[in-house]
Amino acid sequence: QKEVEQDPGPLSVPEGAIVSLNCTYSNSAFQYFMWYRQYSRKGPELLMYTYSSGNKEDGRFTAQVDKSSKYISLFIRDSQPSDSATYLCAMRRISGNTPLVFGKGTRLSVIA
Amino acid sequence: GAGVSQSPSNKVTEKGKDVELRCDPISGHTALYWYRQSLGQGLEFLIYFQGNSAPDKSGLPSDRFSAERTGGSVSTLTIQRTQQEDSAVYLCASSDRDRGSYEQYFGPGTRLTVT
Repeated sequence: QKEVEQDPGPLSVPEGAIVSLNCTYSNSAFQYFMWYRQYSRKGPELLMYTYSSGNKEDGRFTAQVDKSSKYISLFIRDSQPSDSATYLCAMRRISGNTPLVFGKGTRLSVIA
Repeated sequence: GAGVSQSPSNKVTEKGKDVELRCDPISGHTALYWYRQSLGQGLEFLIYFQGNSAPDKSGLPSDRFSAERTGGSVSTLTIQRTQQEDSAVYLCASSDRDRGSYEQYFGPGTRLTVT
């Protein structure tokens, strides 16, 4: 079993839909959780960053962490065609400059 | 300011040849990472440099892979005797304490194809 599991999709939704992206993980030591967005032939860019359990909102994006279930989610409200990209969850055990463990990424297409 | 840059953007090589991939991190970032992104496999950690400490090589898949970081800045990832399974996008990232998140900033990657 991989440390981080993520459904690769692809996921196709109409413009304006609410999108839910999810990851599960097996290592209870993970404490820092991130969501990256990656456009085709570009490097990943950080979207959301959360520490431990709880919710964090930033504009149309909401990140949720449930450490008891080892489950994290990213919600996108009022999805736009420009949101079409691959979304990668990532996590680390401790703070600081340390490598991240990534999910495989979910490819999202938002259809106008 | 300038982001992370990588060169070349694309590299096609024959099986058995050696290749060198270059990464220029963001100026002043103390940490530098190499990841590999294969189709259907997500990002896999390869190697990590932090300041003057010995690098963490725990992610390197074989002894054909090596990396160095000169002067705490530019890094080169070398793959010797390339194999077809080495075909992937090689991503470099750098980080430093930034709003407490230690955000990793990624370069655009080098797409390696081994024929």
